[in-house]
Amino acid sequence: QSALTQPASVSGSPGQSITISCTGTSSDVGRYNYVSWYQQHPGKAPKVMIYDVSNRPSGVSNRFSGSKSGNTASLTISGLQAEDEADYYCSSYTTSSTYVFGTGTKVTVL
Amino acid sequence: EVQLVESGGGLVQPGGSLRLSCATSGFTFSDHYMEWVRQAPGKGLEWVGRTRNKAYSYTTEYAASVKGRFTISRDGSKDLLYLQMNSLKTEDTAVYYCARGSGTYYSWFDPWGQGTLVTVSS
Repeated sequence: QSALTQPASVSGSPGQSITISCTGTSSDVGRYNYVSWYQQHPGKAPKVMIYDVSNRPSGVSNRFSGSKSGNTASLTISGLQAEDEADYYCSSYTTSSTYVFGTGTKVTVL
Repeated sequence: EVQLVESGGGLVQPGGSLRLSCATSGFTFSDHYMEWVRQAPGKGLEWVGRTRNKAYSYTTEYAASVKGRFTISRDGSKDLLYLQMNSLKTEDTAVYYCARGSGTYYSWFDPWGQGTLVTVSS
């Protein structure tokens, strides 16, 4: 199972919006609405930001939103803040009853 | 408060074995799927495997990269999750995280433990 494809890096200025894409196949992202997004700060454990494509867990800022079209899912961060600088990973359930993560995207706040 | 704490990491030679533990608290362990995820130094996340809940007889699934070498199990009396790793390779060097499956279909992982480092080297 190949990793889902994400851009290596995305950057934006404070207050701007950025979008991170996550491209899979018809066997994972395109097949199920079980796409989640994780934020990871250096040296820390990942934290879920979006689950089941577009749902936010309790306590996560509404500046984070998710969507999906076909084999590509997206995470949008609006009103970018310095604390959003981190690595972001998407994840999807697959037809093999396994999970696959994305390649990861480093978000830089300029 | 839900807590997950991994232990058991360390240095092991190629071909060797190691067992990781994940101590859980703050939730009904038998009701939840549990996951193992790893991260090689400076690299991305890789799903390792899962054990389903009691309703699904604690059945397991594994990534192709570890299938046949790694085994996930539980001790329900102690609320402990295990990852038995055999025939270790240098490419298994990583921080290993345990995580709880969450949601109606256990399709997302929350929370995660702090991780334990496994180094496979001669």
